Amino acid sequence: QSALTQPRSVSGSPGQSVAISCTGTSSDVGGYNYVSWYQQYPGTAPKLFISDVTKRPSGVPDRFSGSKSGNTASLTISGLQAEDEADYYCCSYAGNNYVFGTGTKVTVL
Amino acid sequence: EVQLVESGGGLVQPGGSLRLSCAASGFTFSGYWMSWVRQAPGKGLEWLANIKRDGGERYYVDSVKGRFTISRDNAKNSLYLEMNSLRAEDTAVYYCARYSEYALAYWGQGTLVTVSS
Repeated sequence: QSALTQPRSVSGSPGQSVAISCTGTSSDVGGYNYVSWYQQYPGTAPKLFISDVTKRPSGVPDRFSGSKSGNTASLTISGLQAEDEADYYCCSYAGNNYVFGTGTKVTVL
Repeated sequence: EVQLVESGGGLVQPGGSLRLSCAASGFTFSGYWMSWVRQAPGKGLEWLANIKRDGGERYYVDSVKGRFTISRDNAKNSLYLEMNSLRAEDTAVYYCARYSEYALAYWGQGTLVTVSS
């Protein structure tokens, strides 16, 4: 039950694209198509942004997209905007349990 | 509108116990798996436990197994987390959350638990 590995931070200028990786094992990310992504602003509760690797809940901008290859999932933000500056966490089903990623701070330059 | 409201947090001494509650509204509570997630100050999210719709299955992260118990009362639309043998490292904001399939689609605002003498 080790945390999934995410880069500590990523940054980009407005309009650019950034990608956040989420690396696990064959027991979690690689074993199931149940990776979700959450956005969190300081002092607030997380918000679901991506489920089942690629699905965007209603209301989430389509500049956010998810993908997975082997044991690594990714969240891509295309056309970065100021309001995208936040912390992002991945989470994977791991067979009855779940495990979160270490979290990534996205900075808009 | 889905609402989850946690309560019961506070200051507790090491070795002590605390019971967190989560009041749910705006959806059919008995129709969903529920979960507790925590976040230590300045740290990331940690999944703690989840419970099946009827309470018949419960799963825990190793770090709280044997100390924490998740439960629910579908008649009261409420989720609980009984925490025993609390340690300083249990200090965190505790969130309850509702699943939608395999993702945590709705979250409460969190309740702060501080373990300190």
